[in-house]
Amino acid sequence: DGGITQSPKYLFRKEGQNVTLSCEQNLNHDAMYWYRQDPGQGLRLIYYSQIVNDFQKGDIAEGYSVSREKKESFPLTVTSAQKNPTAFYLCASSAGAGNSPLHFGNGTRLTVT
Amino acid sequence: LAKTTQPISMDSYEGQEVNITCSHNNIATNDYITWYQQFPSQGPRFIIQGYKTKVTNEVASLFIPADRKSSTLSLPRVSLSDTAVYYCLVSDSNYQLIWGAGTKLIIKP
Repeated sequence: DGGITQSPKYLFRKEGQNVTLSCEQNLNHDAMYWYRQDPGQGLRLIYYSQIVNDFQKGDIAEGYSVSREKKESFPLTVTSAQKNPTAFYLCASSAGAGNSPLHFGNGTRLTVT
Repeated sequence: LAKTTQPISMDSYEGQEVNITCSHNNIATNDYITWYQQFPSQGPRFIIQGYKTKVTNEVASLFIPADRKSSTLSLPRVSLSDTAVYYCLVSDSNYQLIWGAGTKLIIKP
């Protein structure tokens, strides 16, 4: 089955540590996205990538970093500079242009204490 | 950029038709409208997408008036399993994606 895999589902870290969230897709999609969702809130865009070796900041990129070395993979690093990292993180992909439907993974819930 | 506005919550009963409206007054010529469904602790799932008039698939219909300043997601004969949060998204080909805040739909027996 084609889809997007995010791992792990739950992640716990101590404050001050960097942590990397994994996102892999086998849909052969060019574009990939990272969103943050806080309890009871909507989706906020962190970063997106239209193509390999290229990515753009979203609305809340501060304290996060990404890489896109392979088409299938778009890992997100939550750095110690992110003030409130505890959240639900969602990765998505789309076939091409920004109006193509998004396919989402099932998220990683990060808790930082 | 278009801003999207949706009702925060709605209630309905099993077997009823539910209509959720999204306002996007500043929608641009090249923007598309897409609706997603999200269950707790899961990623949103695509429901339907449209540009103008009416689109129908096996689970929903999407009505878009001629001025395109709003859109209505219609769910026929809902069941308890349709209880979820529904998001409206306005997007263009340049990766400008404007999400609504979501409508929490509760279906009662």
